[in-house]
Amino acid sequence: RKEVEQDPGPFNVPEGATVAFNCTYSNSASQSFFWYRQDCRKEPKLLMSVYSSGNEDGRFTAQLNRASQYISLLIRDSKLSDSATYLCVVKGWPGFQKLVFGTGTRLLVSP
Amino acid sequence: EAGVVQSPRYKIIEKKQPVAFWCNPISGHNTLYWYRQNLGQGPELLIRYENEEAVDDSQLPKDRFSAERLKGVDSTLKIQPAELGDSAVYLCASSLSGQGHEQYFGPGTRLTVT
Repeated sequence: RKEVEQDPGPFNVPEGATVAFNCTYSNSASQSFFWYRQDCRKEPKLLMSVYSSGNEDGRFTAQLNRASQYISLLIRDSKLSDSATYLCVVKGWPGFQKLVFGTGTRLLVSP
Repeated sequence: EAGVVQSPRYKIIEKKQPVAFWCNPISGHNTLYWYRQNLGQGPELLIRYENEEAVDDSQLPKDRFSAERLKGVDSTLKIQPAELGDSAVYLCASSLSGQGHEQYFGPGTRLTVT
């Protein structure tokens, strides 16, 4: 089983739609969780950290369920510029500083 | 502020040839990471440096890969000899320290082995 699993997509949605991505992780000792965004042929960039109580940044909402080892990202009012690959990232023991990336979920927002 | 710099951006070599990638992290960042990203996959850590010390190289294929960060600033990753399966994007990242600080990625070197 992969340490971090994501549906690769692609998710095709119209502008203005709400879309949600899910991610599961296998290591229950994982301590930190993130969503990174990667545009085509570009480097990954941190989108947001994921906190236990859930957190929101504008149109983006991240949720963490430690009991189910599940992370989600919700994007409201999708924009064309949201088209990218969204990488679920987990950090924790063993290798405390090691980031483990999922394969990414590709989002395509169309006019 | 300048970001993480990598060179070359693209490299095409024949199998069995050597190749080297260079990375200059963000100024003041003590921690440097080399990742490999295969097509359709997320980045995978190859090696992490704290200053000039390699503190996690468990994923580095040591038979053909080597890395150095002699003065604790810029770093070089080498493959010798390259194999077809080494074709990938090699990403360098840096952070202030290994303790919970955001990692900033460079643009990567896209390696094609023919």
